[in-house]
Amino acid sequence: GESVGLHLPTLSVQEGDNSIINCAYSNSASDYFIWYKQESGKGPQFIIDIRSNMDKRQGQRVTVLLNKTVKHLSLQIAATQPGDSAVYFCADNIRGDKIIFGKGTRLHILP
Amino acid sequence: NAGVMQNPRHLVRRRGQEARLRCSPMKGHSHVYWYRQLPEEGLKFMVYLQKENIIDESGMPKERFSAEFPKEGPSILRIQQVVRGDSAAYFCASSQDRGYRVDGYTFGSGTRLTVV
Repeated sequence: GESVGLHLPTLSVQEGDNSIINCAYSNSASDYFIWYKQESGKGPQFIIDIRSNMDKRQGQRVTVLLNKTVKHLSLQIAATQPGDSAVYFCADNIRGDKIIFGKGTRLHILP
Repeated sequence: NAGVMQNPRHLVRRRGQEARLRCSPMKGHSHVYWYRQLPEEGLKFMVYLQKENIIDESGMPKERFSAEFPKEGPSILRIQQVVRGDSAAYFCASSQDRGYRVDGYTFGSGTRLTVV
């Protein structure tokens, strides 16, 4: 079964505000996590990843936080823009062979 | 570098027909992964192939589905005797090696299969 899951199916955020998308995982052996963005009609696009020996990683306007104690990770998007509208998936990659996806959170940007 | 190319983008088949989905990995990539996505769902792993070898087919349905990645040419996902439940988007990803880092996994734009 799935080892990662999303807390909310839909998230609405005002343009310019920060977005926080949460994800829980169940497999203690998971040691590598990825966030993907999927726009309508397109394939998943890599956003950022994090390994279990880290608790935070930053990219351009995005930050991923990992809390291994409660098996939780989050994706923070700063100053959300209309182009951020998409479905966001967390995924894990236990052995480096394949990626296991959660169900996704749809991010709506309000004007 | 053209990226991962999938064709066709859209495919309509009648129940009982065969569907063939093609995936050309990025140049230099020898690892291919197929995923299926139902509407409003996440991507489900189906199969992982290297050239001429199936490495992991744990996500493939036991019947009617097969995949290959020949020495020359694209990877093919084949669905025989399609049923309405096969309607989904099928995505292919490729990577250069079996590495730990997945930012090297590049996804194609998918093939949307509709069974009527």
